Amino acid sequence: EDQVTQSPEALRLQEGESSSLNCSYTVSGLRGLFWYRQDPGKGPEFLFTLYSAGEEKEKERLKATLTKKESFLHITAPKPEDSATYLCAVRTNSNSGYALNFGKGTSLLVTP
Amino acid sequence: GAVVSQHPSRVICKSGTSVKIECRSLDFQATTMFWYRQFPKQSLMLMATSNEGSKATYEQGVEKDKFLINHASLTLSTLTVTSAHPEDSSFYICSAELTGRDTEAFFGQGTRLTVV
Repeated sequence: EDQVTQSPEALRLQEGESSSLNCSYTVSGLRGLFWYRQDPGKGPEFLFTLYSAGEEKEKERLKATLTKKESFLHITAPKPEDSATYLCAVRTNSNSGYALNFGKGTSLLVTP
Repeated sequence: GAVVSQHPSRVICKSGTSVKIECRSLDFQATTMFWYRQFPKQSLMLMATSNEGSKATYEQGVEKDKFLINHASLTLSTLTVTSAHPEDSSFYICSAELTGRDTEAFFGQGTRLTVV
């Protein structure tokens, strides 16, 4: 059975304090790993798609990396507006069509 | 990025009534859309895959007679919660994918359903 595990569940950072969020996965044939940001009461906002080990993508203060077993979302010098829940999802050969299998998310709080 | 619009954002209904939620892809065509459900502090759980012009595919444990899905066009899918009960209260989110150089899955804003 495909599994997606995110850690930590919650993370509190000081503004400017860089850190990384982890997403480990056990799947039967990865067809893409997705990162999203979700604000309270809102739908997920697309950040990145990664397809193969060694791939990296960047967007402003965020950088996503992928290995054969896990993905990291690195946050460099975060600001309070980066506070949100970050979701990791995988699409695999066992999913129906293109549906995504989500982890439970990491709730990030960045304090001034 | 592409825009997926979901309406309404919030709805309160009485037990036993039905509620319809719309999901539109505003600037692209989506032959397939997905409906998810999210409980507080939990992740998104796939309910069903909505296919334009054909019947939806439901995940195990999801009652297809309760959660009616209609994908009438390439830009619109609807989810109708029939005979709603308080336990149906949840956050419902739809998504659609845009395939290009990379495949990006875009989500609607979500609908907070409260059944009283």
